[in-house]
Order: sequence, then structure tokens, then C-alpha cells
Amino acid sequence: DIVMTQSPDSLAASLGERATINCKSSQSVLYSSNNKNYLAWYQQKPGQPPKLLIYWASTRESGVPDRFSGSGSGTDFTLTISSLQAEDVAVYYCQQYYSTPLTFGQGTRLEIK
Amino acid sequence: QLQLQESGPGLVKPSETLSLICTVSGGSISSSSYFWGWIRQPPGKGLEWIGSIDYSGSTYYNPSLKSRVTISVDASKNQFSLKLSSVTAADTAVYYCARHDTIPGWFDPWGQGTQVTVSS
Repeated sequence: DIVMTQSPDSLAASLGERATINCKSSQSVLYSSNNKNYLAWYQQKPGQPPKLLIYWASTRESGVPDRFSGSGSGTDFTLTISSLQAEDVAVYYCQQYYSTPLTFGQGTRLEIK
Repeated sequence: QLQLQESGPGLVKPSETLSLICTVSGGSISSSSYFWGWIRQPPGKGLEWIGSIDYSGSTYYNPSLKSRVTISVDASKNQFSLKLSSVTAADTAVYYCARHDTIPGWFDPWGQGTQVTVSS
């Protein structure tokens, strides 16, 4: 199984500040034949299901604000929120879909300082 | 737009079988383009993929649960279902159903989730 490890476990940032969440996979999720990273990011607010933010490591889902961006390749990935808004308070998860079993990171809780 | 809704008992006794249904609306479960999955989230914890099924009934299970899981599809009702046998307290979780475009793939959209508690 591919183990996904996120850091930090929790993060507090001020409104308007940049927030960065990291995700590391135990093996590469870059598929060489198409040069795509099989990595997605989700946002989960309290009492709600996860919401897809980003797939292919850096492609923003339709309707997701452009302050959310994804980067990285191979085994190391980052979700960046460029200017933190109050509505961004949530738990964020990465997920690899390079192989089954599909696996998620343990989550990063983002709060406002 | 496509919507998914989980339903089933909220309380299951230890050693019994957990049974849930996901009803799909706003689209056909028979589309050959999609897969339909179950994911669970124990209280205060992260997400665990349980398994998925495609329109033809081909299934893909997490090896950690494979011996206890059955996922099936009922195209006539636009539903797919989850059965998890021999449950214990460790199976207490919010259970989500979701769609994905490929297997493996990302999940979108998700149902609202249903809480299942295993307790006598």
C-alpha cells in the first residue's frame, strides 16, 4: 500500500496569510507514461463530506477559488492557500490514486490564528 | 447535478452485518464511464477506502477489508450497496458513498454520509 503522510497535523494562520500543507507518498505517484501525478486534495468542513479541490496534483476543480493551488511531483506535494479566508477553516486531505488500495493522508486541520 | 444519498441502519450489533445503500440521482449508475465507491471515516479520524464497483458489477476492494466486504449494484433502482460482515466497534464510522471516473481515481461527488455505530 502507498502510505500518505501529511504535515503538519494542524496549522494556524492569520486571515490573508499564506497557508501551506505538505503531503508525502511512500512511493512515487508519477506515472511515467503520461507524466501525470496521481494525487488529489480534498477539503472537509465540520459535518460535511470531503470536497474535491485539486486532482492531477495541480488541476483545480471547477468552482474552486484560485487562491487554492497544488504543486509537487513524484513523492512530495503541497497544497497552498495564497490568502487565507475565514471559510477555509477545515481539515485537508491528500489522496493517491496511482494504485489500489486508494489511500488518504491523515489530514491537516487548518485554523485561523 | 449528480447527487448521492446513503441510507441504512444507524446501529448494528457486534458480529452482525452492516448493510447500506447509496441512491444516485441526477444521472445513471449504468453509465460505463463511472465507478461507485464506499469510503468510511471513524470518529475523529481520517478516511479509509472500502471498495468500489463499476456499472458491470466488477468490484475492487481494499485488501484490509476484502474478506468481510460485498459491494453490489442494482441498476433498476439506480443504487449500489455495501455489506460488511462480522462487525466490531472498530467499524463504527461515518460511511460515505462517492463516484469516481476511473479506478484508481479521485472521488467526486460524495454523499452526505451516514453514521453507523456498532454496539450491543
